[in-house]
Amino acid sequence: DTAVSQTPKYLVTQMGNDKSIKCEQNLGHDTMYWYKQDSKKFLKIMFSYNNKELIINETVPNRFSPKSPDKAHLNLHINSLELGDSAVYFCASSQSAGTGELFFGEGSRLTVL
Amino acid sequence: GQQLNQSPQSMFIQEGEDVSMNCTSSSIFNTWLWYKQEPGEGPVLLIALYKAGELTSNGRLTAQFGITRKDSFLNISASIPSDVGIYFCAGQLGWNQGGKLIFGQGTELSVKP
Repeated sequence: DTAVSQTPKYLVTQMGNDKSIKCEQNLGHDTMYWYKQDSKKFLKIMFSYNNKELIINETVPNRFSPKSPDKAHLNLHINSLELGDSAVYFCASSQSAGTGELFFGEGSRLTVL
Repeated sequence: GQQLNQSPQSMFIQEGEDVSMNCTSSSIFNTWLWYKQEPGEGPVLLIALYKAGELTSNGRLTAQFGITRKDSFLNISASIPSDVGIYFCAGQLGWNQGGKLIFGQGTELSVKP
């Protein structure tokens, strides 16, 4: 069983569309994250949820809206996609918000045409 | 904002050689971590360091938490082809700064058999 699984793995879409990426973790962790990895491989945190509550919200356009229906799931919805949104988006989880020991998913590669 | 300077950006080495990479920052971190990312995968935690001056090994990998809490290095001894990937350092800020992980730019390692 994959510990942190995210779908879809690949997403190709037109500018202006709305899309979602889903993430689930079966590790029983309290904290989940969304990271964005750009074309230069730089990893930057976008959001973090602890027990379904938003605790980190970086300077991200409000077209990006995370939702955590329960502590095992964290989804990312993106409205009005732009070319600059093309990247690999990683979901991750950790046992608690106080640890830097993260477990990452395989990533979702989003390409906006 | 907080930044980590990771060097070198890339390394091309022969199998069997030792490798050294490091991260420096102007900020103090509570925890230093090293992750490895293979193509098409998410980063995987290699080593976590919790105390200034701490030296920790994981097989052929050795990492140290700098005494000033502003730097860390990772050594890989006797490299093998499966060491190929991108190595990221990450520093964790304190609770008063949200406990966020800040990632370095990565060191891309290529190993020639």
